[in-house]
Amino acid sequence: DADVTQTPRNRITKTGKRIMLECSQTKGHDRMYWYRQDPGLGLQLIYYSFDVKDINKGEISDGYSVSRQAQAKFSLSLESAIPNQTALYFCATSDALNTEAFFGQGTRLTVV
Amino acid sequence: AQSVTQPDIHITVSEGASLELRCNYSYGATPYLFWYVQSPGQGLQLLLKYFSGDTLVQGIKGFEAEFKRSQSSFNLRKPSVHWSDAAEYFCAVGPYGNKLVFGAGTILRVKS
Repeated sequence: DADVTQTPRNRITKTGKRIMLECSQTKGHDRMYWYRQDPGLGLQLIYYSFDVKDINKGEISDGYSVSRQAQAKFSLSLESAIPNQTALYFCATSDALNTEAFFGQGTRLTVV
Repeated sequence: AQSVTQPDIHITVSEGASLELRCNYSYGATPYLFWYVQSPGQGLQLLLKYFSGDTLVQGIKGFEAEFKRSQSSFNLRKPSVHWSDAAEYFCAVGPYGNKLVFGAGTILRVKS
């Protein structure tokens, strides 16, 4: 099994719909992250969590929310999807900031 | 200010040729420095990291990088590129607060 699993891998949704992206990890790490990747912009941090009760906004949190259901699970929601949220979304986990981050394979989201 | 610059959006090299990918950053002290690689359809994988010690760091797949404090750079090198190295490469720097900042990425193409 992969260390970090994201579901779904691909999703097409309509403008205004609510959508949830899910992430689970088997590394046993406390830290989990959601990133968005756009061509030419690299990875931008949406939200991060250091434990179940510690949720923090990243650089581009507007229009997104998260839930840390357990140490191993961290989901990202778009309450009302808009076309400029079309992107590749990555979940990651790490033990500390100066250690390796493990990434999921990504969710390609298209909002039409 | 948080700033990580990868000046080259695309680089094309011939198989067997040497490679250098550039990364410059702004940071007041010695940062944590990472290089990640993203193959098509995959998540990011750590190539190497630096946060103290010898400024020349060896990584996986024959890659190395050198931290140069005076130039605020952490360039990635490989002496002989293989076709399987074609991918997108990201430099990441931190900590900025509790976060890493990723560069915009460099897409490497390998021609035979």
